[in-house]
Formats: sequence, C-alpha cells, structure tokens
Amino acid sequence: KAGVTQTPRYLIKTRGQQVTLSCSPISGHRSVSWYQQTPGQGLQFLFEYFSETQRNKGNFPGRFSGRQFSNSRSEMNVSTLELGDSALYLCASSGQGVGGYTFGSGTRLTVV
Amino acid sequence: GQQLNQSPQSMFIQEGEDVSMNCTSSSIFNTWLWYKQDPGEGPVLLIALYKAGELTSNGRLTAQFGITRKDSFLNISASIPSDVGIYFCAGQPSYSGGGADGLTFGKGTHLIIQP
Repeated sequence: KAGVTQTPRYLIKTRGQQVTLSCSPISGHRSVSWYQQTPGQGLQFLFEYFSETQRNKGNFPGRFSGRQFSNSRSEMNVSTLELGDSALYLCASSGQGVGGYTFGSGTRLTVV
Repeated sequence: GQQLNQSPQSMFIQEGEDVSMNCTSSSIFNTWLWYKQDPGEGPVLLIALYKAGELTSNGRLTAQFGITRKDSFLNISASIPSDVGIYFCAGQPSYSGGGADGLTFGKGTHLIIQP
C-alpha cells in the first residue's frame, strides 16, 4: 500500500513568487490535511479537506490556500512568498475522522 | 488558541534506559496521538489514544490518555539506538459541526542516546 506522496521534495523560490505543492493521499483516504513545520513555531495546522471541501482552517493568512480534487489528491498554494514561509510543508491523510493521520515526507520550501 | 506543553524538551539517555515524556493541555482533547520524526522525514504515528484513561502499548512503547482529557504520557522501555529522534504529542479537540479539527502538536522531545 503506497504511502502519502508529496511533490516536490525540495523547492527554492524567490520572495514575491507563488508556489504550488502537491499531495497524493493513501488510496481510499478521503481526508487530507496540511501542516507547516518550522524550528520556531513547530508543527502548525494549515487546513483540512474532505471530499473536495475545506472543513477546517488554521490561523494562517489568506496567501495560503488549498484545494482537493475528486480523486482526493490535494494541492496547496502560497502566493506572494515571504522569507518566513520557508518551512517543511507536510501533508497527512486519514481514512477515518478520528486521529490516525499518516504523514508524507514533506516538501522543504526555501524562500530567498 | 490551544497549546500543548510537552516535556522534557530533550533527553540524554544511555542505551537500555527507560524514557518518559508527557504532554499537558489547557483544553480537553478527544484524541491523543504520539508521533516520531526522523531527520528529513514526516512524523510517523506510534500510538493513538481515543478514550480517557486508555492505556495502549506498541512493542516497547506505552502511552496513556489522561482521565482529565488534558494530558498524556509516552514511555519507552529499554531504549535502543534507533529510538533516537524527535517525539511529538498531538491532540485533536472535540468534533464541531461533524467535521474533524486539525491536530495541535507539542513542540517535541529530542531523544538523544549517549554512547
């Protein structure tokens, strides 16, 4: 059973640009969540999607957005990148509503 | 917002020792999860707890869901070199509107094994 796949693994962008990250959940999982991990703030919840609908959103500015497709694959987009957006972005999928989230290896975004 | 206080921040232990770490919250959580993260990888789920008072084991790992729903601990017995890494607790609050809330993570416990 394939795990959660995130692409790309590494990304370098310039301040002001936008970026799109991709996540393919475990087959059959319909819930996909996104998290930002930084040394200072730790792991912080960005948003969660279920059946193409955003069910919950963390405390991040509107520059952070996401979507989910009918095959449960998800993308997140960050517009007008800032240096502080440099982080490891993690995607997690779940086949049930309670806990049990399986994380991908993440996308390491560096903004220069 | 909700916060989880995880302690200790780091632990220096010798191979074979037992390890204990815990998390406390100012809010009630419906689910407690414990993850381990190795460098360059995403967190890997170790144990999931769904009921207050629940005690669950996974090999040498044991975790408990506090009866107040505001705390949890993780114990590792007879540590081995591959236990090195960062351990995170995570809590999920009660459901609202039928949808699942995001996980709130602790800051992590760095486990270091001294030679």
